[in-house]
Amino acid sequence: AQKITQTQPGMFVQEKEAVTLDCTYDTSDQSYGLFWYKQPSSGEMIFLIYLGSYDDQNATEGRYSLNFQKARKSANLVISASQLGDSAMYFCAMILYSSASKIIFGSGTRLSIRP
Amino acid sequence: DAGVTQSPTHLIKTRGQQVTLRCSPKSGHDTVSWYQQALGQGPQFIFQYYEEEERQRGNFPDRFSGHQFPNYSSELNVNALLLGDSALYLCASSHVRGLRADTQYFGPGTRLTVL
Repeated sequence: AQKITQTQPGMFVQEKEAVTLDCTYDTSDQSYGLFWYKQPSSGEMIFLIYLGSYDDQNATEGRYSLNFQKARKSANLVISASQLGDSAMYFCAMILYSSASKIIFGSGTRLSIRP
Repeated sequence: DAGVTQSPTHLIKTRGQQVTLRCSPKSGHDTVSWYQQALGQGPQFIFQYYEEEERQRGNFPDRFSGHQFPNYSSELNVNALLLGDSALYLCASSHVRGLRADTQYFGPGTRLTVL
């Protein structure tokens, strides 16, 4: 079965600290992609970072890093030097290229940054 | 460069009514996907439109239907509304190259309340 699992419903982190949000995925497909999206209280889903199943290095976009461990089927998001504006819901998602680009989302992690 | 736009922002309907939600994709994108996000959950894939045809469908009843126009904009129609249809409806656009799809960019969503 195709599935994304996020085991941390909520996290509290002190401002300026780094935080890791966990994500594991399950698929038998060979060709897939992994995303992280941020959803503030306004509701809009904001793209943060992407990595494909054939990539052999972790992805980095500014303060965001996607730590990809294929053997463990994990795709954790690391946010460095957290800021108050990072407080939001974070969703890990998987795109299956064999299924016409359908995206499967996890249940999300609510991140709260303390000043 | 305009991003993905959706209308209306909010909508209140009663059980049994029908609703139409609209989405305009990001400039240069030709594929539109629709998602339903219930409160406190991750988005669930409804269906995807490409070249004015439904390309992929999630586990949603036939009450949910859609359409894509020649200018790539799309509509989501829901008939015979149920209380459980209350949710945030997200539209995402992307550009398909062969079997692979670029990152899906989301609109701000339409919040539907069914009374």
